[in-house]
Amino acid sequence: GENVEQHPSTLSVQEGDSAVIKCTYSDSASNYFPWYKQELGKGPQLIIDIRSNVGEKKDQRIAVTLNKTAKHFSLHITETQPEDSAVYFCAASHNTGNQFYFGTGTSLTVIP
Amino acid sequence: DAGITQSPRHKVTETGTPVTLRCHQTENHRYMYWYRQDPGHGLRLIHYSYGVKDTDKGEVSDGYSVSRSKTEDFLLTLESATSSQTSVYFCAITPSGGAGETQYFGPGTRLLVL
Repeated sequence: GENVEQHPSTLSVQEGDSAVIKCTYSDSASNYFPWYKQELGKGPQLIIDIRSNVGEKKDQRIAVTLNKTAKHFSLHITETQPEDSAVYFCAASHNTGNQFYFGTGTSLTVIP
Repeated sequence: DAGITQSPRHKVTETGTPVTLRCHQTENHRYMYWYRQDPGHGLRLIHYSYGVKDTDKGEVSDGYSVSRSKTEDFLLTLESATSSQTSVYFCAITPSGGAGETQYFGPGTRLLVL
């Protein structure tokens, strides 16, 4: 089955700096890659996603890039703010399957 | 939370007792999922359902069973709870289909098995 690895496990940045979280996947058939933000005591919330026919997608301060050849995708957060502090999860799936496979999470701390 | 509710939100139980967690959705979506979340493991799929009475196992299904007799409810049962099943359990749905489509999560159930 699919194996998704996520790095780093913890990340601290100064407010206003950028944060980058990277994930790799093993199954070349995977074609959908969502990112989730999870705040303490809450369920994961989708913040951005990308499909394999697209190399990059942006939504305000958040962007995701995908390199299908290398089988990795990354989350980029620019101009970080204290409210960006949370745990972020990447995931991979393909529309011919029934399962999502998640990374182990990155705890992001934005220092004011 | 995309119209998903989970009950109970918190539960403490003893080893060997049966436990049932409920996931309820209001939009009649076909696909529903149960995950557990543990430190260092992220989210791991326990079981999923692709319709009434249609369910299948995920990667960590041992010790768990599920039932879906109505579209809106997906039940997760621990037949005889063990301490290793202490975890946070999340229900999820994919409104537009199965894997490969956007997935939304419920608020979670925190289970402690003593």
